[in-house]
Formats: sequence, structure tokens, C-alpha cells
Amino acid sequence: NAGVTQTPKFQVLKTGQSMTLQCAQDMNHNSMYWYRQDPGMGLRLIYYSASEGTTDKGEVPNGYNVSRLNKREFSLRLESAAPSQTSVYFCASIFGGTGTYTFGSGTRLTVV
Amino acid sequence: SQQGEEDPQALSIQEGENATMNCSYKTSINNLQWYRQNSGRGLVHLILIRSNEREKHSGRLRVTLDTSKKSSSLLITASRAADTASYFCATDNYGNNRLAFGKGNQVVVIP
Repeated sequence: NAGVTQTPKFQVLKTGQSMTLQCAQDMNHNSMYWYRQDPGMGLRLIYYSASEGTTDKGEVPNGYNVSRLNKREFSLRLESAAPSQTSVYFCASIFGGTGTYTFGSGTRLTVV
Repeated sequence: SQQGEEDPQALSIQEGENATMNCSYKTSINNLQWYRQNSGRGLVHLILIRSNEREKHSGRLRVTLDTSKKSSSLLITASRAADTASYFCATDNYGNNRLAFGKGNQVVVIP
């Protein structure tokens, strides 16, 4: 099925551990995004990639790194997880122009 | 900074009633979009309204946009239990596809 696939769906980390959240889309979309969703906060943009080979910071980039591996894949890395990074993370993509996002189903991350 | 900001309401209505939720924003926009999120799922796009449009319909959805008041409303007519979800507005402020999302409205439709 065409869409945005995120892995893993759930993860528990200890403070200080590292991990990479994976995102892949098979719609030939140019732009990809990582958001985090916290209760009462809506969605906040962490990083985005307007096209293959480019990445830019969003609203809340501290503590994260990203890699646009190719046109399909956009990964988010936590180098040293902190409890403040406990959240639900969503990846999204868009073809281009002014349009609408397609979201993945999310990764629920808990840092203890 | 957050642009789209809904009135932080938790709305509980009976099936068949209409549900209305509002969104305000702070700066000029290129377009405004509404998304739905079912519990534990990703967001799904519902409707997009451009800055030069005032009203748009899609099935049971009606969206209005008032750029002079920097506000939008989403109306769901004849609600169904399956409409139970959180609804988010999002603004594209610069035409660069970077959406700013509001905090969401939770709607519960009672069968």
C-alpha cells in the first residue's frame, strides 16, 4: 500500500541511550518532515527535508539529527535520549507545490 | 511559533448533530488545512482552503476562512460516531509547505 511507513511503532529507551527512527515513503514525494506530538501542544516541527540531499531545522531541533538517505527515506536520530523527548513522533511527506501532507502512523517513544 | 490555534475545546455531541470548531492564526497565510486524528493513529488530511477562498465544502465538511479576522471554522454536519476524533488546523504561512499545527479539538460523537 502506498504511503508513509514508520518503524518502530513503540520504543522504550533509558536516559542516555541512542536510537534512530526510520521513515520511508513510496509516493515519490520530494519533501519529508519530522514532527513530535505532545499532549496539549499539537504538532511541532523538528526537522524537514525539502528535497533529497537537503535538511533544515524546524521549531524544536535540539537533541535530534536527521539524514535524508535518498528520496524515499528520512531518518531521525536521538544521540542521547532524555525524558523530555518522550513523545509521539510523526513523519510526513508531500509531493511539492502547495499541497497536503501524508502522515505515517507514528512512533511512540518513552524515555525513562 | 505555532500559527494555527484552535479553541481548546472538548466537544461532546449526539449523533446527527452538527459540530463546529474554530481556529485562529497570527500571520498571513498561503493556505489553511484541517486534519483528523483518530486515537493512536496518524493525521489524515480533510480539506484545504486557500487564502483567496472564503468557503469550501467536501461531503459533510464545510470550512470557512476569514483572513481579515485571521480565523477559520470547520463544520461537520450530521455527525456520526465515526467522526469521533481530534481535529487540527494547520497553516502554510509562506507557501513553502512547512505547516504549523494548532493544538487540536477533541470531538466525541455519542451514538
